[in-house]
Amino acid sequence: GDSVTQMEGPVTLSEEAFLTINCTYTATGYPSLFWYVQYPGEGLQLLLKATKADDKGSNKGFEATYRKETTSFHLEKGSVQVSDSAVYFCALSLQGAQKLVFGQGTRLTINP
Amino acid sequence: NAGVTQTPKFRVLKTGQSMTLLCAQDMNHEYMYWYRQDPGMGLRLIHYSVGEGTTAKGEVPDGYNVSRLKKQNFLLGLESAAPSQTSVYFCASRPGQGFNSNQPQHFGDGTRLSIL
Repeated sequence: GDSVTQMEGPVTLSEEAFLTINCTYTATGYPSLFWYVQYPGEGLQLLLKATKADDKGSNKGFEATYRKETTSFHLEKGSVQVSDSAVYFCALSLQGAQKLVFGQGTRLTINP
Repeated sequence: NAGVTQTPKFRVLKTGQSMTLLCAQDMNHEYMYWYRQDPGMGLRLIHYSVGEGTTAKGEVPDGYNVSRLKKQNFLLGLESAAPSQTSVYFCASRPGQGFNSNQPQHFGDGTRLSIL
């Protein structure tokens, strides 16, 4: 079945470090891909998305590129801030599907 | 700009009690979802609805019931609460099939439920 696998956390970095959170997927068709962020005590918010191969989603300094050949959608940020501390979820949606498929989430902590 | 609103935000129940969690959305979305989030488990889909008057089971439906009597509301019921149902519950909504299916889900802020 369709699935999303994220790198295991928790991930701890220092402020201004480079961030990569890996996400790979398995899907029977051509999915749309999403990154959601969950700040402490809040619900999930859409961070960025990409709907076809080679698309790059970007928001708040975060980027992710839809790589069909490697079935990946890795999240990157060049210089993280303490305020980026949160849980990040990778997800996919297939055309015509009613549901999202979520990865297990990666907890990120940024130390000053 | 309310979006998805969940009530209550916190609740403590005793084993065997019943309660209903309410989710309301003001975006005219067709699809609505109930998830639970446990430490280290990510999100698990309990039930969902693709329109008024319809419901369907997700991954972990046992012990829960849902109703979608109005398009804007999706209720999650616990008939006889058990300690294993202690969790954070999230509601989400998104536009339906007539819209671009790449539309994301919009989430509420969650209900923290403890069963003693």
